[in-house]
Amino acid sequence: DSGVTQTPKHLITATGQRVTLRCSPRSGDLSVYWYQQSLDQGLQFLIQYYNGEERAKGNILERFSAQQFPDLHSELNLSSLELGDSALYFCASSRSFGEKLFFGSGTQLSVL
Amino acid sequence: TQLLEQSPQFLSIQEGENLTVYCNSSSVFSSLQWYRQEPGEGPVLLVTVVTGGEVKKLKRLTFQFGDARKDSSLHITAAQPGDTGLYLCAAKMNRDDKIIFGKGTRLHILP
Repeated sequence: DSGVTQTPKHLITATGQRVTLRCSPRSGDLSVYWYQQSLDQGLQFLIQYYNGEERAKGNILERFSAQQFPDLHSELNLSSLELGDSALYFCASSRSFGEKLFFGSGTQLSVL
Repeated sequence: TQLLEQSPQFLSIQEGENLTVYCNSSSVFSSLQWYRQEPGEGPVLLVTVVTGGEVKKLKRLTFQFGDARKDSSLHITAAQPGDTGLYLCAAKMNRDDKIIFGKGTRLHILP
């Protein structure tokens, strides 16, 4: 058990809908990272937060947004969903920057 | 463009054999990490290498960081079915705090 909790584990929705993925980092970790994993693209960095503030951004679509709350949990919001958004979404946490990442078990998103 | 290129993409070998997988880049990194991911789970950190030329051993796994800190290798001795999984290398970008991953080597050890 990595100590990182992601909910829900599975999500099935329709095109055009909006979903929210939730992540609780390990106790004491201030950094939260979001990644998208698909078979052809591998693990793609989306965005990182540190202690509530956005720290680094990857190729995150404008339809996607995230935030980290004062209690350090984070949410990833995906809107106007398309078929191509179907993927595994992982959250990871670390004590600080660039340190070893602890990953949650992921949310499998299926857009039908 | 993939900043971290991993090879081979797939590898299927018999139990007991040795193997090496590679992680290459044209960029210099301050550190590089190796993770292993099993189906239905998130990646789990195996090792972090920091110094050019560094070699780290984890039981039957040997990790090496290139002298120029642009590449790394993972060597497994006497592979076992429990070594099966997706091996990912990752590095922190120097200009910001992004940690990027290669696409991984999918390893299958046949009993």
